[in-house]
Amino acid sequence: ETGVTQTPRHLVMGMTNKKSLKCEQHLGHNAMYWYKQSAKKPLELMFVYSLEERVENNSVPSRFSPECPNSSHLFLHLHTLQPEDSALYLCASSQDPIPQETQYFGPGTRLLVL
Amino acid sequence: AQKVTQAQTEISVVEKEDVTLDCVYETRDTTYYLFWYKQPPSGELVFLIRRNSFDEQNEISGRYSWNFQKSTSSFNFTITASQVVDSAVYFCALSDATSGTYKYIFGTGTRLKVLA
Repeated sequence: ETGVTQTPRHLVMGMTNKKSLKCEQHLGHNAMYWYKQSAKKPLELMFVYSLEERVENNSVPSRFSPECPNSSHLFLHLHTLQPEDSALYLCASSQDPIPQETQYFGPGTRLLVL
Repeated sequence: AQKVTQAQTEISVVEKEDVTLDCVYETRDTTYYLFWYKQPPSGELVFLIRRNSFDEQNEISGRYSWNFQKSTSSFNFTITASQVVDSAVYFCALSDATSGTYKYIFGTGTRLKVLA
């Protein structure tokens, strides 16, 4: 595997379910990110991790819970979601969390909440 | 405040036409970075280019070229002799010290449709 991978690619869940999104980067980077992409809205940064420590939490509802067990893996745990949470969830990584570093994105998980 | 504007929501061209995607940005910082990404239907954002604010030299990569003009705060992207495979949503993004050490400000994207 190369680059940034995400699983699953598609997910349908009910509002009472609990599920997790997984991201893995094979680039040796120190920083990882979760973004939410909704229709007709700019990409929204949700969480940033640097060397497994959370450095940004952009006023994200507590029904989204991130976890970074090591610098290569990032999870997003989901519980009691709302239909408006349906979106494409993108994971990205960069060498370090600084402005000049390029972020490399995974293919995303397309989430539908019923 | 930092802002990226991609005024063109959707553009349709016929294959082999040239097309320019506009990007206008706002920032108070003198040091900043601009990026272009391509998002094909598969969903992944593919990195195309990064440009720092001190380098105004235009760049060409195959059929792609970028025109960075600080005087108009623009970083436009031109595809020469477009192909059907160029159909995608293209995003322009800005990062600077003001927006946060790791935060990209993305535009809303331009959907490009290249018709055969």
